[in-house]
Amino acid sequence: SQTIHQWPATLVQPVGSPLSLECTVEGTSNPNLYWYRQAAGRGLQLLFYSVGIGQISSEVPQNLSASRPQDRQFILSSKKLLLSDSGFYLCAWSVGWNTEAFFGQGTRLTVV
Amino acid sequence: GESVGLHLPTLSVQEGDNSIINCAYSNSASDYFIWYKQESGKGPQFIIDIRSNMDKRQGQRVTVLLNKTVKHLSLQIAATQPGDSAVYFCAENRGNAGNMLTFGGGTRLMVKP
Repeated sequence: SQTIHQWPATLVQPVGSPLSLECTVEGTSNPNLYWYRQAAGRGLQLLFYSVGIGQISSEVPQNLSASRPQDRQFILSSKKLLLSDSGFYLCAWSVGWNTEAFFGQGTRLTVV
Repeated sequence: GESVGLHLPTLSVQEGDNSIINCAYSNSASDYFIWYKQESGKGPQFIIDIRSNMDKRQGQRVTVLLNKTVKHLSLQIAATQPGDSAVYFCAENRGNAGNMLTFGGGTRLMVKP
């Protein structure tokens, strides 16, 4: 069966520090991969999606970047965190067209 | 811009009653819709989906209705239980490449015992 791993679960980082969140998927090949951000009490905002290795599309301009060095690995990064980067970050995967996306358990990032 | 939105931010129901959560979408090109349930501190979980060539789909205790004429989506939960308490999101596939889902703002369902 397919599983998605996202870590760490919680993270507290000072302003100006770098960020690296990792997401891996098991049990499937060539998945579509996504990074979403969720502000407290709000909906999900799509940040990045990838349809293949090295293929990254950004939905909104921001202080973050994404990379996909391997088929089932998706990384969210920042060189210098801002206070506004705080939130709940969710990785998700899907396969094919018009199919549901499956989410990881999320990383709660607090920038202080 | 085009988005998926919700009519009610919070819905409180009595245990055993039926719940109806509504969602409006504005992208006429969307052809696939999903309802997700999110419990506190966790990632969203798939509940049920529907494609634009259907107007109703049923699952276990849940039914999704799609009205393309007025661009409206609803989730009905029968015999609501305390375990149904969560935030519910509707999401649409914008009908373009990459299977991207756009999410609404969410409705919090509170079940009173």
